[in-house]
Amino acid sequence: EAGVTQFPSHSVIEKGQTVTLRCDPISGHDNLYWYRRVMGKEIKFLLHFVKESKQDESGMPNNRFLAERTGGTYSTLKVQPAELEDSGVYFCASSQGDSVRETQYFGPGTRLLVL
Amino acid sequence: AQSVTQLGSHVSVSEGALVLLRCNYSSSVPPYLFWYVQYPNQGLQLLLKYTSAATLVKGINGFEAEFKKSETSFHLTKPSAHMSDAAEYFCAVNSFKAAGNKLTFGGGTRVLVKP
Repeated sequence: EAGVTQFPSHSVIEKGQTVTLRCDPISGHDNLYWYRRVMGKEIKFLLHFVKESKQDESGMPNNRFLAERTGGTYSTLKVQPAELEDSGVYFCASSQGDSVRETQYFGPGTRLLVL
Repeated sequence: AQSVTQLGSHVSVSEGALVLLRCNYSSSVPPYLFWYVQYPNQGLQLLLKYTSAATLVKGINGFEAEFKKSETSFHLTKPSAHMSDAAEYFCAVNSFKAAGNKLTFGGGTRVLVKP
């Protein structure tokens, strides 16, 4: 069974440009999460989808970030316009149920560098 | 609110020696606790989790952790380090669902194994 996949693995863009990150969860997982690790800091929660609905987006830093999950399958996270402080590793995770004891399975991350 | 503190951002151990990674949590409700490992150029992989059953939890690759409520700790141990254990380790907590289903991570501990 394929794990969580993320694309691209790396992205280098200039300040002011737009970047779109994609996450494909494990097949059959209704719950999809985005996290981010800024250099030298903790991994922090961004948002949680249940199927196509945003369950919790309390961690989204500002309105330059837009997450979608059309059809409840893959998800995209768009940053527009990108700022220097957006650099970091963006992780996607998925889980089958939404119990807090469920294991969240993580993808390899997208390393974003904004110059 | 929930929080996690990992004592020591870097730990160096000799091959064959005990690995001890410290994790203390703060949660106003019973927590569910997780240890993840990130090997170089890979995503986060679950090592083990505590979900209110046995307080001593065994995980993959010879790791185990003990939940101690009185000490609010969930330290990770392995009796004998192997070179392949070189990685970054993350402790995380999830708790009552009303607070949202999101993992709160510690800052991570990078383990170096010396031959």
